[in-house]
Amino acid sequence: GAVVSQHPSRVICKSGTSVKIECRSLDFQATTMFWYRQFPKQSLMLMATSNEGSKATYEQGVEKDKFLINHASLTLSTLTVTSAHPEDSSFYICSARLYLTDTQYFGPGTRLTVL
Amino acid sequence: QKEVEQNSGPLSVPEGAIASLNCTYSDRGSQSFFWYRQYSGKSPELIMFIYSNGDKEDGRFTAQLNKASQYVSLLIRDSQPSDSATYLCAVDGGSEYGNKLVFGAGTILRVKS
Repeated sequence: GAVVSQHPSRVICKSGTSVKIECRSLDFQATTMFWYRQFPKQSLMLMATSNEGSKATYEQGVEKDKFLINHASLTLSTLTVTSAHPEDSSFYICSARLYLTDTQYFGPGTRLTVL
Repeated sequence: QKEVEQNSGPLSVPEGAIASLNCTYSDRGSQSFFWYRQYSGKSPELIMFIYSNGDKEDGRFTAQLNKASQYVSLLIRDSQPSDSATYLCAVDGGSEYGNKLVFGAGTILRVKS
């Protein structure tokens, strides 16, 4: 149980294009999902908290107009990287908080490469 | 500012030994504690969670919590080379913190065969 999926697992795009990443909780409801970014050999960095039916809360320094987050249902959150640039190349990981618990389960991650 | 401290390692143990990973946290009011394992190039995987003082065992893993000392540990018995990974200690920040997890920097574990 408690499986979180992400799609796509890997994406390569040209600079200036937008990329959408989906995060789904497959067998549980998640009123809260989180989006992280991780650069090679660095720690996880929380980007934003996504609550179902409301606007996402972004961490300091994260551009909300560049990283659009939508949490339209209890099992799906999406992250759209708009006008991607090479410096946005990173490993993007979502997590979903099991409803009525404190436990977060992570998706497998999406590796984004912007050329 | 909520903080979680871990020794970055690497911690090297021989195959079959017990690996002991430690973590301290700053917020005395913290209620929920987690250990995640992260292999290189992969996302974190939940290993254990613990809410109450004492020990919690799951297979080869034992989590230990001491709220008075603000200390959490993870013991891995009969360590295997496949246990080689980065182990992340995380503490739930609570509702006033947006239910975000506060992570330590992680301890690199190397199990040598």
